[in-house]
Amino acid sequence: KAGVTQTPRYLIKTRGQQVTLSCSPISGHRSVSWYQQTPGQGLQFLFEYFSETQRNKGNFPGRFSGRQFSNSRSEMNVSTLELGDSALYLCASSSGGDPSYGYTFGSGTRLTVV
Amino acid sequence: AQSVTQPDIHITVSEGASLELRCNYSYGATPYLFWYVQSPGQGLQLLLKYFSGDTLVQGIKGFEAEFKRSQSSFNLRKPSVHWSDAAEYFCAVASLFGNEKLTFGTGTRLTIIP
Repeated sequence: KAGVTQTPRYLIKTRGQQVTLSCSPISGHRSVSWYQQTPGQGLQFLFEYFSETQRNKGNFPGRFSGRQFSNSRSEMNVSTLELGDSALYLCASSSGGDPSYGYTFGSGTRLTVV
Repeated sequence: AQSVTQPDIHITVSEGASLELRCNYSYGATPYLFWYVQSPGQGLQLLLKYFSGDTLVQGIKGFEAEFKRSQSSFNLRKPSVHWSDAAEYFCAVASLFGNEKLTFGTGTRLTIIP
């Protein structure tokens, strides 16, 4: 079956702009989580959506938001971009009921803010 | 709060040599433990996971890991490394209750020398 698809793969944005990233989970998976990966902070949890509802949120400012659609696809949005938002953004797909099922990651979106 | 420590930032081994990557976790109950591998510019690939049962788990690419509750460890091993194993390795923990998210260690970068 198809894996987790993240689009676009690369983005370059200017400080102050906003950006929207997309994640399509594995078919049948209802949970999508987002992570930010930077050399300084490593992998940090942003938020998790399950059946169109945000269940959990990490410690990020309100400029970071997301949503999930009825087909389980998810988008995350970052407004008023800052240089420090440059990172690899990864989404993870899971069935959503139990961590024992595991999490499958996409290839990520590399965001560069200039 | 759950946490993961990977004490080795960078490890260099010769091709054909054995490998052990260390991971220690902090969590109140039985954790769900994962090892992921990341090649440059790529997403995370699941190597193996543990949540119950046999404490020695086998994964893909010839990797195995052993859960030791008394030491709060989940070390990753491979008897003979190949040049293609050069990558960054992340240990992660998840909990069944509360936040369904992965908490990652800082990663260990593995270099293979011929």
